[in-house]
Amino acid sequence: EIVMTQSPATLSVSPGERATLSCRASQSVSSNLAWYQQKPGQAPRLLIYGASTRATGIPATFSGSGSGTEFTLTISSLQSEDFAVYYCQQYNKWPLTFGGGTKVEIK
Amino acid sequence: EVQMVESGGGLVQPGGSLRLSCAASGFTFSNYDMSWVRQAPGKGLEWVSTITGGGGSSYYADSVKGRFTISRDNSKNTLYLQMSSLRVEDTALYYCARKYYPFDYWGQGALVTVSS
Repeated sequence: EIVMTQSPATLSVSPGERATLSCRASQSVSSNLAWYQQKPGQAPRLLIYGASTRATGIPATFSGSGSGTEFTLTISSLQSEDFAVYYCQQYNKWPLTFGGGTKVEIK
Repeated sequence: EVQMVESGGGLVQPGGSLRLSCAASGFTFSNYDMSWVRQAPGKGLEWVSTITGGGGSSYYADSVKGRFTISRDNSKNTLYLQMSSLRVEDTALYYCARKYYPFDYWGQGALVTVSS
């Protein structure tokens, strides 16, 4: 099983600042990596797939990078609606696995 | 508009069974692989199972293999998850999701509580 490790567990950021979230895979997942955003009481929402392709309707303030085992999600300028939990997921190999999540909170 | 609506959740005793349904609309259901993903209270996301568009292949997490069965009825645009031999640790919100590469649309979830 590919273990996905996200860091940090919690990120405190002021509105308007940049946030950088990390995701590491225990073995290469190529570019088969997605990022999701989840707000309290809501289902997850797809943000990024293929490590760097924004999903439909996702603003350009969200960007993804990386390949192999190291990935980054960057939120260039945090808005109030961006404070949430973010998960990475690999779909390179069964079983599909998620990282433990990074909570982005208001500083 | 793509929409998935889960139903069938509830309270069940350990060792019991439950069947979840996911009614899909807004897309050609049979063209898409479908998945179940769960989230225990206050915890992260865990993939449970995936079935191919035609229903010919299915995949399971080790934690549910042999106890859960995924199926679909393409004539009814509905996905199912038959859960048996339920354990306390199966307590979670169960989401229906389209595809897996990645999960591009999600339902709102059905809550399953396993408790005596």
